[in-house]
Amino acid sequence: NAGVTQTPKFQVLKTGQSMTLQCAQDMNHNSMYWYRQDPGMGLRLIYYSASEGTTDKGEVPNGYNVSRLNKREFSLRLESAAPSQTSVYFCASSVGGPADTQYFGPGTRLTVL
Amino acid sequence: RKEVEQDPGPFNVPEGATVAFNCTYSNSASQSFFWYRQDCRKEPKLLMSVYSSGNEDGRFTAQLNRASQYISLLIRDSKLSDSATYLCVVKGLNFNKFYFGSGTKLNVKP
Repeated sequence: NAGVTQTPKFQVLKTGQSMTLQCAQDMNHNSMYWYRQDPGMGLRLIYYSASEGTTDKGEVPNGYNVSRLNKREFSLRLESAAPSQTSVYFCASSVGGPADTQYFGPGTRLTVL
Repeated sequence: RKEVEQDPGPFNVPEGATVAFNCTYSNSASQSFFWYRQDCRKEPKLLMSVYSSGNEDGRFTAQLNRASQYISLLIRDSKLSDSATYLCVVKGLNFNKFYFGSGTKLNVKP
């Protein structure tokens, strides 16, 4: 099992460009998440999907959109990138329920110039 | 107020030392608690879950104090390989939301 995979690993964008970060999991998990991590800020939830067909906003959703394409895949789109979106983006998945834990992908390092 | 608060450190300790981290959480209705480890520029990985009765995994011991709303992690006989950032994670009533502390950095020196 690959676990949680993310593409790309690195990306440099110019302000105003758009891009989609891809995430896939092969653990048959119900819930998937997108976080961003900035120095000194910890992990902040952007969007999550409790199950296939549902998505909900997290703590910092502005400037992002998501799609839960199927049970395996959850993508994050930046429609018009801004320098404030320079960050490390992590995708995670979990089974769902009170006692489960999250498993993370390796992250995407995004720089917006 | 942040949902989860941790001392950012760094904690600089010699090999073989015992070190303890604490973390506090704000929502008394929180249901599940975890410690994750994050190495530099890598993804967080689950270190251990934290149960009300306390639990131990080798050199690592985690405790939960619901009355005072804090979680602790004790590392005994520190190794160089323990150097990392330790994240405290709390799961609330909404079982799909996890709240992360900013992390405590540990440096174990030879």
